[in-house]
Amino acid sequence: QKEVEQDPGPLSVPEGAIVSLNCTYSNSAFQYFMWYRQYSRKGPELLMYTYSSGNKEDGRFTAQVDKSSKYISLFIRDSQPSDSATYLCAMGATDSWGKLQFGAGTQVVVTP
Amino acid sequence: KAGVTQTPRYLIKTRGQQVTLSCSPISGHRSVSWYQQTPGQGLQFLFEYFSETQRNKGNFPGRFSGRQFSNSRSEMNVSTLELGDSALYLCASSGSRDRTNEQYFGPGTRLTVT
Repeated sequence: QKEVEQDPGPLSVPEGAIVSLNCTYSNSAFQYFMWYRQYSRKGPELLMYTYSSGNKEDGRFTAQVDKSSKYISLFIRDSQPSDSATYLCAMGATDSWGKLQFGAGTQVVVTP
Repeated sequence: KAGVTQTPRYLIKTRGQQVTLSCSPISGHRSVSWYQQTPGQGLQFLFEYFSETQRNKGNFPGRFSGRQFSNSRSEMNVSTLELGDSALYLCASSGSRDRTNEQYFGPGTRLTVT
């Protein structure tokens, strides 16, 4: 079993809809949770960085962390065709010294 | 502030050769991590350097090695290349000793081994 599970999709939504993404994990040592966006043939771009449980909002993006359920989510409001990309969740432990564990990535397609 | 840069962007090598990839972190960042990304395995951690010291290493064979210079620039080397080493190699930098999880990635070097 992988430490981080993420549905690879693809997830297709109409423009303007809410995109809902999630990951589950098994390692209780994870304290830092991130979401990255990766366009084809580009490096991952950091979208959200959160520590421990709770919600964080940044513009159209909301990240949620539920450590008791080992479940994290990312919501994208008012989705645009430019949001079409692969979204990767990533996690790190306090003593992981630069090592992030990534999910497989979910491919999102926003149709006009 | 300029982002993470990686050179070269594309590379084609033959089995058995060796290759060196370079990464320049964001100015002021002292931690550099390297990852391999393939369609089958996704993003996998190779190693992390901070102040010229390797602090963490992933589960890759000894053919994969790296180093970091005093200006925080980093290189990784792969010796005796195999077909399975074909991948996108990504480096990421972070700003502080204690927040090495907040990583910013470069565009990657796409390595093709024939």
